[in-house]
Amino acid sequence: GENVEQHPSTLSVQEGDSAVIKCTYSDSASNYFPWYKQELGKGPQLIIDIRSNVGEKKDQRIAVTLNKTAKHFSLHITETQPEDSAVYFCAARSGNSGYALNFGKGTSLLVTP
Amino acid sequence: EAQVTQNPRYLITVTGKKLTVTCSQNMNHEYMSWYRQDPGLGLRQIYYSMNVEVTDKGDVPEGYKVSRKEKRNFPLILESPSPNQTSLYFCASTQGLSTEAFFGQGTRLTVV
Repeated sequence: GENVEQHPSTLSVQEGDSAVIKCTYSDSASNYFPWYKQELGKGPQLIIDIRSNVGEKKDQRIAVTLNKTAKHFSLHITETQPEDSAVYFCAARSGNSGYALNFGKGTSLLVTP
Repeated sequence: EAQVTQNPRYLITVTGKKLTVTCSQNMNHEYMSWYRQDPGLGLRQIYYSMNVEVTDKGDVPEGYKVSRKEKRNFPLILESPSPNQTSLYFCASTQGLSTEAFFGQGTRLTVV
């Protein structure tokens, strides 16, 4: 089945700096790549997603890039703010595995003022 | 308001005592699933359902059961809970394979 690796597991940046989280996947049939943000005591919430026919997508301070050849995708957060502090999960869905969303192990991001 | 509702939010139980965690969504979504979240392991899928009366195993199904008798509900059943099932559980629903999955608030289960 699909295997999603996520790095780093923890990331600390200063307010205003950029943060980058990287994920790789194993199944070349994967075609949907969402990113979720999980705040303490809450369920994960979608922040951005990208489909396999697109190489990059941006939404204000957040962007995601996808390299299908290398089978990796990345989350970029610019001008970080303390409220960006949370756990971020990447995921991949393969057309071969039905509905299953396979998640990375998560990155704990801390933005210090 | 579109939402996925899980109950209870917190549960402490003893080994072997059957329990059910309920999940309900109000978005008429076809796909629903259960995940468990453990430190260092991320989110792992337990079971999923692609429609009423259609369920399938995820990555960690042992010790769990599910049912999907109605489109909106997808309960998770632990027939004989054990301490290794102590975890944070999330229910999620989505309309299509390439659309957003909505997660519930989570159920923190402790089995002693």
